[in-house]
Amino acid sequence: GENVEQHPSTLSVQEGDSAVIKCTYSDSASNYFPWYKQELGKRPQLIIDIRSNVGEKKDQRIAVTLNKTAKHFSLHITETQPEDSAVYFCAASNIQAGTALIFGKGTTLSVSS
Amino acid sequence: SAVISQKPSRDICQRGTSLTIQCQVDSQVTMMFWYRQQPGQSLTLIATANQGSEATYESGFVIDKFPISRPNLTFSTLTVSNMSPEDSSIYLCSVAGGVGYTEAFFGQGTRLTVV
Repeated sequence: GENVEQHPSTLSVQEGDSAVIKCTYSDSASNYFPWYKQELGKRPQLIIDIRSNVGEKKDQRIAVTLNKTAKHFSLHITETQPEDSAVYFCAASNIQAGTALIFGKGTTLSVSS
Repeated sequence: SAVISQKPSRDICQRGTSLTIQCQVDSQVTMMFWYRQQPGQSLTLIATANQGSEATYESGFVIDKFPISRPNLTFSTLTVSNMSPEDSSIYLCSVAGGVGYTEAFFGQGTRLTVV
């Protein structure tokens, strides 16, 4: 089955800096790679996703890149703000086949002002 | 899209008892998924619930501890049986994939505390 590795487990940056979180996956059949942000006491919220037919996707300060050959994808947050502080999870699945999302272990991002 | 209603949102239970969590989806879906999120941890897949067949459990999860029902294409339940404090977690149901789906959807979660 799918296995998703996520690094780093914690990340501390200064406000305005960029943050990068990286994930690798094992199943070449996976074609859907979402990123979730979870704030304390709340359920994970989808912030951006990418499919295997696309190499990069951007939404304002957030971007995701995908390298299918190497089976890794990354989340990039630019101009970080204190409200970006949260736990971020990557995940992978075969969305067309309807398989379950398999999650990475999460990255705790702390943005200090 | 899909809207999932999950109940209860939270509960405090005595050890040795059981709790049944319900998820209702506003559209028919082939597969529903149940996850556990232990404190400070990621989401771990418990099982996949298919309508009309036995649920498929992931390694480390067994039917006697987490029995699942899937009576129709819009509803599923997860029971946490013979609870211990180690079962204190957030439990989430999810639907994803298949024709017309562009993302996964989650219920609001059930925050379970076992005392």
